[in-house]
Amino acid sequence: GENVEQHPSTLSVQEGDSAVIKCTYSDSASNYFPWYKQELGKGPQLIIDIRSNVGEKKDQRIAVTLNKTAKHFSLHITETQPEDSAVYFCAASPTTGGSNYKLTFGKGTLLTVNP
Amino acid sequence: DTAVSQTPKYLVTQMGNDKSIKCEQNLGHDTMYWYKQDSKKFLKIMFSYNNKELIINETVPNRFSPKSPDKAHLNLHINSLELGDSAVYFCASSLWTSGQETQYFGPGTRLLVL
Repeated sequence: GENVEQHPSTLSVQEGDSAVIKCTYSDSASNYFPWYKQELGKGPQLIIDIRSNVGEKKDQRIAVTLNKTAKHFSLHITETQPEDSAVYFCAASPTTGGSNYKLTFGKGTLLTVNP
Repeated sequence: DTAVSQTPKYLVTQMGNDKSIKCEQNLGHDTMYWYKQDSKKFLKIMFSYNNKELIINETVPNRFSPKSPDKAHLNLHINSLELGDSAVYFCASSLWTSGQETQYFGPGTRLLVL
């Protein structure tokens, strides 16, 4: 089955700096890679996703890059703000196989943005 | 509000008891999921239902029994609760038939077994 590794497990940055979180996956059949943000006491919320036919996707201060050959993808947050502080999860799944697809999550990165 | 909702939000119970968690989505999705998040924040899928049919059943003890009365609801019943069942349980849903794989999560149910 799929195995997703996520690094670092904790990341502390100063407000205004950039933050980068990296993930690797093992199953070459995976072609959908979402990122979720989980604030304290809440459920994970999708912030951005990328599919294997795209190398990079950007949404305001958030960008995700994908290197399918190397089987890794990264989340980049620029101009970090205190409200970006949360646990971030990467995930991977195939999108073939009908409804049997499932998301495999990384172990999460606790991002702290210091004012 | 369109969302995935879960009840109860908190559940404290004694070992050996039986309890249920309910999930409802009003997003018109056809696939629903249960995840377990342990104390280290690791998210692991337990079950998945598509159009009321069980399609994913990970290696979960058979004390856990999901039930989907209709596409908008997926409940989780747990028999003979054990200390190790203490965790946060998340329900999620997605609309597979449109080719959209995005999963939307509920707020979670925090289960503490004493």
